[in-house]
Amino acid sequence: AAGVIQSPRHLIKEKRETATLKCYPIPRHDTVYWYQQGPGQDPQFLISFYEKMQSDKGSIPDRFSAQQFSDYHSELNMSSLELGDSALYFCASSSTGLANYGYTFGSGTRLTVV
Amino acid sequence: QKEVEQNSGPLSVPEGAIASLNCTYSDRGSQSFFWYRQYSGKSPELIMSIYSNGDKEDGRFTAQLNKASQYVSLLIRDSQPSDSATYLCAVSSGNTGKLIFGQGTTLQVKP
Repeated sequence: AAGVIQSPRHLIKEKRETATLKCYPIPRHDTVYWYQQGPGQDPQFLISFYEKMQSDKGSIPDRFSAQQFSDYHSELNMSSLELGDSALYFCASSSTGLANYGYTFGSGTRLTVV
Repeated sequence: QKEVEQNSGPLSVPEGAIASLNCTYSDRGSQSFFWYRQYSGKSPELIMSIYSNGDKEDGRFTAQLNKASQYVSLLIRDSQPSDSATYLCAVSSGNTGKLIFGQGTTLQVKP
């Protein structure tokens, strides 16, 4: 079965650079969630989109922005990168009415800021 | 106080034993509860979900929920070395599907 696809798998950026992470949801899923997991930390909810509109917002820094496109894929844009942004970034997707039944995460993007 | 709390461990059990993982949450309005397993450097994998009080069994896994005590647990029977991982308790409240995770409990199953 198709899963959530994230790209790239690994990304190395320098401080103050910009990074773009992409997430392709499971086909026919209309909701996307983004989480950040720092080293030794639990996943922290960043933001979610439903039908291309922001549906919920968590601890996402103002330097980050995200959107969901007409094909339901989502991109997380991160500017003015800081060392503390180094983390695993996970994306998950669900379909309408099933959000509270749990969802599957993509393989994640490991961002390293040097 | 974190919204979802777990003992970070490590919890060490011998192969074949029962591993018991616990989680408490603070939001009484929480409706859905999940256990995820995460291997180092990998994404969390959903292993159990529970929505009503009582027990839910799936193979070697049993999830237990007590909403009055705001407590969720996961029992792993006949623990195997391959079960060694971090187990994340997650709680969903509201209707957007956002999950609040605990800090995870590291389980070590020794052969």
